[in-house]
Amino acid sequence: GQQVMQIPQYQHVQEGEDFTTYCNSSTTLSNIQWYKQRPGGHPVFLIQLVKSGEVKKQKRLTFQFGEAKKNSSLHITATQTTDVGTYFCAVASGGSYIPTFGRGTSLIVHP
Amino acid sequence: DVKVTQSSRYLVKRTGEKVFLECVQDMDHENMFWYRQDPGLGLRLIYFSYDVKMKEKGDIPEGYSVSREKKERFSLILESASTNQTSMYLCASSLGFTISYEQYFGPGTRLTVT
Repeated sequence: GQQVMQIPQYQHVQEGEDFTTYCNSSTTLSNIQWYKQRPGGHPVFLIQLVKSGEVKKQKRLTFQFGEAKKNSSLHITATQTTDVGTYFCAVASGGSYIPTFGRGTSLIVHP
Repeated sequence: DVKVTQSSRYLVKRTGEKVFLECVQDMDHENMFWYRQDPGLGLRLIYFSYDVKMKEKGDIPEGYSVSREKKERFSLILESASTNQTSMYLCASSLGFTISYEQYFGPGTRLTVT
């Protein structure tokens, strides 16, 4: 399947600090999705990005799609303990239409 | 709300047993997926189905088979369970099978093979 690199694998932050996770591909992506999985839970869809350079916001979460459509980021401003979980990107590119998930970034927020 | 249910939350089986994992969705979705999730490896696609009786291999189909006899139900079968199949198994459904469609996940089945 499509190879996508998600970094970092883990991130520890103090409550109130910002957090960013990146999803990088060597090939151009058609679009990208982001999911969140709480500890003990299942992945839940957050958002989809389609256009080059697209930026979308959901409260404290900001999602960006790179101009070349090869990378994306999820930024959380002023983390809260409710942000704890693993954030996954899902991508497809070129002739591959089936989503491939990144390995995820686990966010740990210390109160 | 879309609801995806899985038959068991936890399952313990012995090596060599035939194992059935069941998934049911209530939103009339055409497409259903089976993933396994292992620490540090993310979600890896085992099989997906885009219609009744239709299936496609994902990235790691070896050791698994699937069955889709009814639209709402998608079964994952481990013909002869092995210890390296100990994992969390997640089922998902969506309106479409491409990246353009949101996937709805079930709660997962944590399978232990001893």
